[in-house]
Amino acid sequence: SQQGEEDPQALSIQEGENATMNCSYKTSINNLQWYRQNSGRGLVHLILIRSNEREKHSGRLRVTLDTSKKSSSLLITASRAADTASYFCATDPTGANSKLTFGKGITLSVRP
Amino acid sequence: EPEVTQTPSHQVTQMGQEVILRCVPISNHLYFYWYRQILGQKVEFLVSFYNNEISEKSEIFDDQFSVERPDGSNFTLKIRSTKLEDSAMYFCASSVGTDSYNEQFFGPGTRLTVL
Repeated sequence: SQQGEEDPQALSIQEGENATMNCSYKTSINNLQWYRQNSGRGLVHLILIRSNEREKHSGRLRVTLDTSKKSSSLLITASRAADTASYFCATDPTGANSKLTFGKGITLSVRP
Repeated sequence: EPEVTQTPSHQVTQMGQEVILRCVPISNHLYFYWYRQILGQKVEFLVSFYNNEISEKSEIFDDQFSVERPDGSNFTLKIRSTKLEDSAMYFCASSVGTDSYNEQFFGPGTRLTVL
């Protein structure tokens, strides 16, 4: 697998349900960041978790990081139709001079 | 809330022409980046810039590309002689610092179409 690979590739849920998205990576990292992208639009920064952190919350978002498994998860609780977007994890590999490596993304559809 | 801005939002050009994409990073940020996203593909790193120098560049960032910070606010990406395969969304990003403080904020992008 490549650095910053998300799964599933697509997720469809009902409004009000929780959405869990996973990201795996291969090298050691300084941090991992999650972004949201609405169709054809820019990347919105959601949350950054540092390599020495295990869990972080921001509103309805919860991110975990397991450096031993080289994986992260993004949980969106009580999803809304407006959460429909593509979600990307991006890793900042150690020694890579702050060059973010993005995954292919997860397409989340939240049905009203 | 401060944000990264980019102009133009869409640029159409003929193959072989030069284009300049413009970005205004967040004002207290010191590190600047360009990324691109070809339609349906991953976001790819192009170049990072700090203290008026390129910090790192990818294999994509060949001699046809250059970056400049011409004044205290703008950060530009120039493509000297565009090719069809340069058609993509180009994103500028900026951050306060690096490593654990490398929270990169992205602009809305410039969609470049090369005909």
